[in-house]
Amino acid sequence: GENVEQHPSTLSVQEGDSAVIKCTYSDSASNYFPWYKQELGKGPQLIIDIRSNVGEKKDQRIAVTLNKTAKHFSLHITETQPEDSAVYFCAASFGNEKLTFGTGTRLTIIP
Amino acid sequence: DAEITQSPRHKITETGRQVTLACHQTWNHNNMFWYRQDLGHGLRLIHYSYGVQDTNKGEVSDGYSVSRSNTEDLPLTLESAASSQTSVYFCASSLAGAADTQYFGPGTRLTVL
Repeated sequence: GENVEQHPSTLSVQEGDSAVIKCTYSDSASNYFPWYKQELGKGPQLIIDIRSNVGEKKDQRIAVTLNKTAKHFSLHITETQPEDSAVYFCAASFGNEKLTFGTGTRLTIIP
Repeated sequence: DAEITQSPRHKITETGRQVTLACHQTWNHNNMFWYRQDLGHGLRLIHYSYGVQDTNKGEVSDGYSVSRSNTEDLPLTLESAASSQTSVYFCASSLAGAADTQYFGPGTRLTVL
């Protein structure tokens, strides 16, 4: 089955700087890659996703890049703000099969 | 507004007892999922359902069961609770399957003593 590795497990950045979280996946057939944000005491919430027919997708300060050859994808957050502090999860799936999640990255924005 | 709710939010039980966690969604989604979240493991799929009377096992289904009698509800039952099942449980639903936006509930923190 699919295996998703996520790094780093914790990340601290100064407010206003950029943050990058990376994930690798094992199944070359995977074609859907979402990112979820989980705030303290809440359930995860989708923030951005990408499908394998595109290499990059942006939504305001958030972007995701996909390298199918290397089987890795990354989340980029620019101009970080205190409200970006949360746990971020990447995931991968093939077709409409179940999502396999990474182990999460705790992002802390330092004021 | 449509939502997905879970109850109870916190539960303490004893080893060997049967426990049922409720999940209710008003999105009218056919697809529903149960995950458990543990430190170092992220979110792992327990069971999922693509419609009424449909249930499927996920990667960590041993000791758990689900039933889907209507669109809105997917209760998760622990047949005989074990300490290894102490975890935070999340229910989610989606319109178009796993590869679509999944809307998560607030979670249930279960402690098995």
